[in-house]
Formats: sequence, C-alpha cells, structure tokens
Amino acid sequence: DAGITQSPRYKITETGRQVTLMCHQTWSHSYMFWYRQDLGHGLRLIYYSAAADITDKGEVPDGYVVSRSKTENFPLTLESATRSQTSVYFCASSGQSNQPQHFGDGTRLSIL
Amino acid sequence: DQQVKQNSPSLSVQEGRISILNCDYTNSMFDYFLWYKKYPAEGPTFLISISSIKDKNEDGRFTVFLNKSAKHLSLHIVPSQPGDSAVYFCAASDAGNQFYFGTGTSLTVIP
Repeated sequence: DAGITQSPRYKITETGRQVTLMCHQTWSHSYMFWYRQDLGHGLRLIYYSAAADITDKGEVPDGYVVSRSKTENFPLTLESATRSQTSVYFCASSGQSNQPQHFGDGTRLSIL
Repeated sequence: DQQVKQNSPSLSVQEGRISILNCDYTNSMFDYFLWYKKYPAEGPTFLISISSIKDKNEDGRFTVFLNKSAKHLSLHIVPSQPGDSAVYFCAASDAGNQFYFGTGTSLTVIP
C-alpha cells in the first residue's frame, strides 16, 4: 500500500546502546523529515532531507545521525542512546519543501 | 524558544457548537500556516492551510483565520462532532524547509 511506514512501532532499549528507527515512503517524495514529540514541546524537527544524499539539521539534531542513500528510506540512528531521548518519533514526507507533510504513525522509544 | 505557541492545552465543547482553537507566532517571516489533527497512536494528518496573502480559508466545517498584524491564527470547527475529538497542532513556515509546530490543543467534543 502507498504511504509512509515506520518501524518498529515500539522499542525499549538501554542507555548507551545504538538504535535505528526506520522510515519508508512509497510516494517518491523528495523531502523527508524526522520529528520528536515531547510533552510541553509539541513536534520538534531533528533532521530533514531534501533528496537522496542530502541531509540537514533541524532544531534538535544532537545525538542523532541520519542517512538517505535511497529516496524512499530515511533511517534515524541514536548512536549512544540517553534517557533524554525517550520520546515518540515521527517520520514525515512531502513532495516539495513548503507543502503539507504526510506523517507515519510514530515509534514510541523508551530508554532505560 | 517556542516560535509557535498554543496557549490552551485543552478545550471541551458540546456537540453541534463551535470549536475555536488558537495559535500565536513570533516570527514575522512566517508566510504559510497549517493545522494538523492527531488521534492517539497515529501520526498527525493535514487538515487545512493558509497562505499569508489570505486572511481566511474554508474547507467544509473547518475555517482558518489569519491575523498577520497580531501574529495570530485560529481554527474554527462548525458544527463540532464527537469524531473531531483529537489533538490539534498548528505549524508555520517561512518558505524554507522547516515547519515549526505548536505544542498542541486537545479538543474534546461532548455528545
């Protein structure tokens, strides 16, 4: 089915571990985004990508790494997870930068 | 520093009445605004948008108003329905690659 999918939906890990959140979209959208949602902060942009092999920092990039080797995939990696990275993570995509974004259903990540 | 603010964390409205959700922004360069709706355990879904060249945009029961001088926008839902119960986020962009989101308002429509 066309759309944007995130995996896993839920993840529990320990501090210091590496964890990768996956995002896949089937629209061939150029733009992809990673957000985190925290109480009192709404949605904050972590990283975004305008095209394959092009990525840029958002508001809160520290502690995260992204890559975009293929247009349809935009994985987010926490290289050494910390408790402050416990959050709900949303991936989104859009055809152009200033267009409404389509969101995945999120990954709830808990770091113990 | 929050550039887009939704000062009401929650709102309750009777079914059939009007729901008014408010949003304020600080960056005068913002020129495109959107509202998203979010149900629990789902991602946000786009609802309605407005460009800074307009002061009103309607789509069925949903109307967004923009007051540029006050840096304020509002979403009106008329009539409100129980299925409208969700968290509503406003977002703004300055024609760059980033949207800035508010903290959300949880709307409950009481049958």
